[in-house]
Amino acid sequence: QSALTQPPSASGSPGQSVTISCTGTSSDVGGYNYVSWYQQHPGKAPKVIIYEVTKRPSGVPDRFSGSKSDNTASLTVSGLQADDEADYYCSSYAGNTRVFGGGTKLTVL
Amino acid sequence: QVQLVQSGAEVRKPGASVKVSCKASGYSFTSKGISWVRQAPGQGLEWMGWISAYRGNTNYAQKFQDRVTVTTDTSASTAYMELRSLTSDDTAVYYCARDVDYRCDNWGQGTLVTVSS
Repeated sequence: QSALTQPPSASGSPGQSVTISCTGTSSDVGGYNYVSWYQQHPGKAPKVIIYEVTKRPSGVPDRFSGSKSDNTASLTVSGLQADDEADYYCSSYAGNTRVFGGGTKLTVL
Repeated sequence: QVQLVQSGAEVRKPGASVKVSCKASGYSFTSKGISWVRQAPGQGLEWMGWISAYRGNTNYAQKFQDRVTVTTDTSASTAYMELRSLTSDDTAVYYCARDVDYRCDNWGQGTLVTVSS
């Protein structure tokens, strides 16, 4: 099972929007609506911010949104804030297994 | 509130095994699954396996299929992950997470496993 493909880095200025892509195959991202996104600050455990492609857990700001087209999922962070600087990982169900992306380091300039 | 508390850091020699525990509280343990995810130093997240706390059935990543065993003790609301035949490449932080509909919605604090001769 290969890891999902994410850009290693992304950046934006406070207030701007940034989109992170996550490319898989028809066996994972494209085959199921079970894509999740996780935010991880240094030294901390990951935290789910998007699940089932577009849903946000309670307490996650609506500045975070998710979408999917074919085999590529995307996370958009709007109105960038300093605290959004973190690593972001996508994950997908892949038929009795899960697969993560390699991670994207988001820098707020 | 949901809490997952993992056992402490471990040091092992190459070829040895390690068993990490994950005690759950704040929810009905058998109502959800538990996934195990690891993160090598400076690297990304890697899913290792999952267990249904209700039925005890498991799924493992192909990479770990032959070396990992995930179990639960429902009487203690605790999940375990055992990894065998350790090498230096297994040095990582190991996380347990409550798995709800294929997402990890609550995570343990992580357990550092160091493999060194």
